[in-house]
Amino acid sequence: GAVVSQHPSRVICKSGTSVKIECRSLDFQATTMFWYRQFPKKSLMLMATSNEGSKATYEQGVEKDKFLINHASLTLSTLTVTSAHPEDSSFYICSALEEGGSIAYEQYFGPGTRLTVT
Amino acid sequence: DQQVKQNSPSLSVQEGRISILNCDYTNSMFDYFLWYKKYPAEGPTFLISISSIKDKNEDGRFTVFLNKSAKHLSLHIVPSQPGDSAVYFCAASSTGTASKLTFGTGTRLQVTL
Repeated sequence: GAVVSQHPSRVICKSGTSVKIECRSLDFQATTMFWYRQFPKKSLMLMATSNEGSKATYEQGVEKDKFLINHASLTLSTLTVTSAHPEDSSFYICSALEEGGSIAYEQYFGPGTRLTVT
Repeated sequence: DQQVKQNSPSLSVQEGRISILNCDYTNSMFDYFLWYKKYPAEGPTFLISISSIKDKNEDGRFTVFLNKSAKHLSLHIVPSQPGDSAVYFCAASSTGTASKLTFGTGTRLQVTL
């Protein structure tokens, strides 16, 4: 089955530093990847839609200069949390839409990255 | 503004019995609904979906029911098995927004022996 990996799985960083999270589709090509954020006991909130070779589309209320997204290839998207603050601590999950897929369930989710900013 | 709600944060069911997980939505533009299962430290995995043109979809032990007038859907698992213990998320999307999903808050299902 389709596998999506995320790296790192956990990261602790100091306030003011930047952190990069990678999302890779391992056995398929993904023209579209999505980045979600999950607060404790809350739902997954879509942050942005990342399309290969073009700029990401951010959801309302998500700061594009703070959460930099790059989708340079059909198998890799990165999310960089710039100048991280404790309130950025969260669980970040990516999903990948298989090339040619358009149905919502054809998204495959990564295992998530737990970010803690101290 | 939580457009997809799962009002029960947790549910405990005995093995072999039926598990019923509920989900309500407020956005009438949603026309496709999905259920995902999530284990700790793993991403959600797709379980079953239903289009708004249907009111029921069945796949093995899993059945999803949709009541459009009530903006309510439910997931039935029968018989429940210990391996079903996980967090279940309801999600919705609408035509025109492609694969953008709006998730509920999740219900933690515990199937006991």
